[in-house]
Amino acid sequence: EAGVVQSPRYKIIEKKQPVAFWCNPISGHNTLYWYRQNLGQGPELLIRYENEEAVDDSQLPKDRFSAERLKGVDSTLKIQPAELGDSAVYLCASSSAGSGTDTQYFGPGTRLTVL
Amino acid sequence: GENVEQHPSTLSVQEGDSAVIKCTYSDSASNYFPWYKQELGKRPQLIIDIRSNVGEKKDQRIAVTLNKTAKHFSLHITETQPEDSAVYFCAASSGDDKIIFGKGTRLHILP
Repeated sequence: EAGVVQSPRYKIIEKKQPVAFWCNPISGHNTLYWYRQNLGQGPELLIRYENEEAVDDSQLPKDRFSAERLKGVDSTLKIQPAELGDSAVYLCASSSAGSGTDTQYFGPGTRLTVL
Repeated sequence: GENVEQHPSTLSVQEGDSAVIKCTYSDSASNYFPWYKQELGKRPQLIIDIRSNVGEKKDQRIAVTLNKTAKHFSLHITETQPEDSAVYFCAASSGDDKIIFGKGTRLHILP
């Protein structure tokens, strides 16, 4: 079984530029999560999807971040415009159901560097 | 909301010795406590988890204990090996189904 796939793995951009990350969850997993992991910290939830619905986006900085999961499978996270403080690893995870007690499987992440 | 504290931030143990990482949580409604291992540049991977109806769980050299009254849980690794070197994250699932992660413990296994 393929795991969670993310691309790109690395991205370097200048501040004020836009950037997008893509995630393909494990087949059959209805719940998809986007996390941000700063250096030396644990993952912090940005947004959680149940199928195509964003059920928790309370931690998403909506002035510059947006996300979509149009068909309830793949998802895209966008930052526009990027700021220096956005440098981090962006992790996507998926689980079979939305209960907080279901195991989350993480993708390899996208390491974003904003110059 | 839930708050998870993890200690120590760094831990060095001699190969073959045991390692213990401790976490506390604040939300008494939390009922799921996973532990993730993250090697440098790689994804976090679940190594063991425990639910609130169980006090202890063991899987080969890894064990987790949970004290719901005190709201703390611990990861125990016995007979440590070089491949155990990594960052370990504890997490707690709060009453609103959100998983909150600790800040991580960098474990060094010394030869």
